[in-house]
Amino acid sequence: DIQMTQSPSSVSASVGDRVTITCRASQGIRSWLAWYQQKPGKAPNLLIYAASRLQSGVPSRFSGSGSGTDFTLTISSLQPEDFATYYCQQANNLFSFGPGTKVDVK
Amino acid sequence: EVQLLESGGGLVQPGGSLRLSCAASGFTFNNYAMTWVRQAPGKGLEWVSTIRSDGSTFYADSVKGRFTISRDNSKDTLYLQMNSLRAEDTAVYYCAKDVASIGEYFQHWGQGTLVTVST
Repeated sequence: DIQMTQSPSSVSASVGDRVTITCRASQGIRSWLAWYQQKPGKAPNLLIYAASRLQSGVPSRFSGSGSGTDFTLTISSLQPEDFATYYCQQANNLFSFGPGTKVDVK
Repeated sequence: EVQLLESGGGLVQPGGSLRLSCAASGFTFNNYAMTWVRQAPGKGLEWVSTIRSDGSTFYADSVKGRFTISRDNSKDTLYLQMNSLRAEDTAVYYCAKDVASIGEYFQHWGQGTLVTVST
């Protein structure tokens, strides 16, 4: 099984900040990685797939990078609607999610 | 517009069974893989099971042998039969439409249905 880890587990930030979240896979997953945003009481929303491809309708302030075992989600300028929990997910060998990173108000 | 509507959740005793349904609309159902993902209260996301467009199925180790995923393409409906339920199966269960036929990323999600396993 492929284990996914994320860091940090939480981050406090202000509107306009640049926020970076890291995801690491226990073994190489090439570019088979997605990022999701989830707000309380709501279903997750796909942001990035194939490590760096922006899902249709997702603002361009979100970007993804990485391959192999190390990946990054960057929010270039945090907006009020971006306070949420973010999950990475690998699709190289079945599926698994990271534990999540909560972005809250500083 | 893609819509996914889960139903069938509720309270069940340990050892009991439940069948979840997910009614899909707004896309050609039989062309896409479909997945169940669950989220225990206050916890993260856990992949449960995926069925490809060709009918092949995949399960997390935590549910293998107890849960069965299936699809009825004539009804555009996804199912999850859950047997031998345990307290640790308590969660909101989401169905999700994949971006592809073989199972890759979860592009559209339903609103979820709550399953509570308790006496």
